[in-house]
Amino acid sequence: QKEVEQDPGPLSVPEGAIVSLNCTYSNSAFQYFMWYRQYSRKGPELLMYTYSSGNKEDGRFTAQVDKSSKYISLFIRDSQPSDSATYLCAMKNSSASKIIFGSGTRLSIRP
Amino acid sequence: EAGVAQSPRYKIIEKRQSVAFWCNPISGHATLYWYQQILGQGPKLLIQFQNNGVVDDSQLPKDRFSAERLKGVDSTLKIQPAKLEDSAVYLCASSEQETQYFGPGTRLLVL
Repeated sequence: QKEVEQDPGPLSVPEGAIVSLNCTYSNSAFQYFMWYRQYSRKGPELLMYTYSSGNKEDGRFTAQVDKSSKYISLFIRDSQPSDSATYLCAMKNSSASKIIFGSGTRLSIRP
Repeated sequence: EAGVAQSPRYKIIEKRQSVAFWCNPISGHATLYWYQQILGQGPKLLIQFQNNGVVDDSQLPKDRFSAERLKGVDSTLKIQPAKLEDSAVYLCASSEQETQYFGPGTRLLVL
């Protein structure tokens, strides 16, 4: 079993829709949770960074962490074609430990 | 602020040949990372440097991969000899504190 599981997609939604991206994990020691966005032929770019459980909102993006269920989510409101990319969840035990990435979900927003 | 620079962007070699990648991190960033991203997977950490010292190289295949950061600034990653399964994107990242900033990557194809 992988430490971090993520549905690879592809996920295609119309412009303006709410997008929900999810990851599950098996290591209960994970404390820090991240979402990265990766455009084609580019490196990953950090979108959201959260510690422990709860919600965090930044503009159209909301990250949720449910440690009891070992489940994290990223919601994108009012999705735009420019949001089309691969979204990688990532997590780590402590601030100094290495990041474990999910395999990424490919998202396409249709105009 | 200039981002993480990597070269070359693309490389095609035959198996058993050697190849080297170069990375110049963001100025002032003490920590430098090399990741391998196989198609359809998330990045996997190969090696982490703090200044010119190695912090974590537990997932580096040391029989064929080597990396150095002699002056604590730029870094090179070498593969010798290359295998077909080394075909991937090699990402360099740097950080000052929590956030890692990724370069565009070098896309390697081993034939």
